[in-house]
Amino acid sequence: AQSVAQPEDQVNVAEGNPLTVKCTYSVSGNPYLFWYVQYPNRGLQFLLKYITGDNLVKGSYGFEAEFNKSQTSFHLKKPSALVSDSALYFCAVRDDDSWGKLQFGAGTQVVVTP
Amino acid sequence: ETGVTQTPRHLVMGMTNKKSLKCEQHLGHNAMYWYKQSAKKPLELMFVYSLEERVENNSVPSRFSPECPNSSHLFLHLHTLQPEDSALYLCASSPYATGETYEQYFGPGTRLTVT
Repeated sequence: AQSVAQPEDQVNVAEGNPLTVKCTYSVSGNPYLFWYVQYPNRGLQFLLKYITGDNLVKGSYGFEAEFNKSQTSFHLKKPSALVSDSALYFCAVRDDDSWGKLQFGAGTQVVVTP
Repeated sequence: ETGVTQTPRHLVMGMTNKKSLKCEQHLGHNAMYWYKQSAKKPLELMFVYSLEERVENNSVPSRFSPECPNSSHLFLHLHTLQPEDSALYLCASSPYATGETYEQYFGPGTRLTVT
């Protein structure tokens, strides 16, 4: 089975500073990786995905993620954080079941202070 | 908001009640999912429907009963729930459940409280 780990329960950053949310994965084959964000009282919103190709993936709201095969990581980044980026962030990996079930991490709470 | 809607947004029910959660997707997708989100826990996949056929049931108690009458609608029927079933129930859809690595699109969820 495939899995992801988000080692930080919470990340605190000042507005305007770079934001990084960490994710590591474990797969038996090719990794298909996703990032989602959840704002309070809302469902999950898709940010970006890595399937193949360029290791730097650009997504919604100015976010990007860097795929690193040697470190089995897929960290989410934003060059300059906004207060409105405060939310819960989930990393996910496609399971190796035939129908593509997503395996989610536990989530990382991001708090951006003014 | 995404093209996935859920009703009701909030639900309080007693352990002897019967209620249903509804999900509707307006994206033309063929696969739909029910997830349970509890505090301090990863999302738990409950059910998957592909082309209106259930393809996954993750050992969910029988007090939860899904129904997918067509590719746009998904229901979760609830009866004799327990307090530990209180959680946010999320519905999602994707173009297909097999083959390509399509991302899933989520609804806003139903906050369920069992008293």
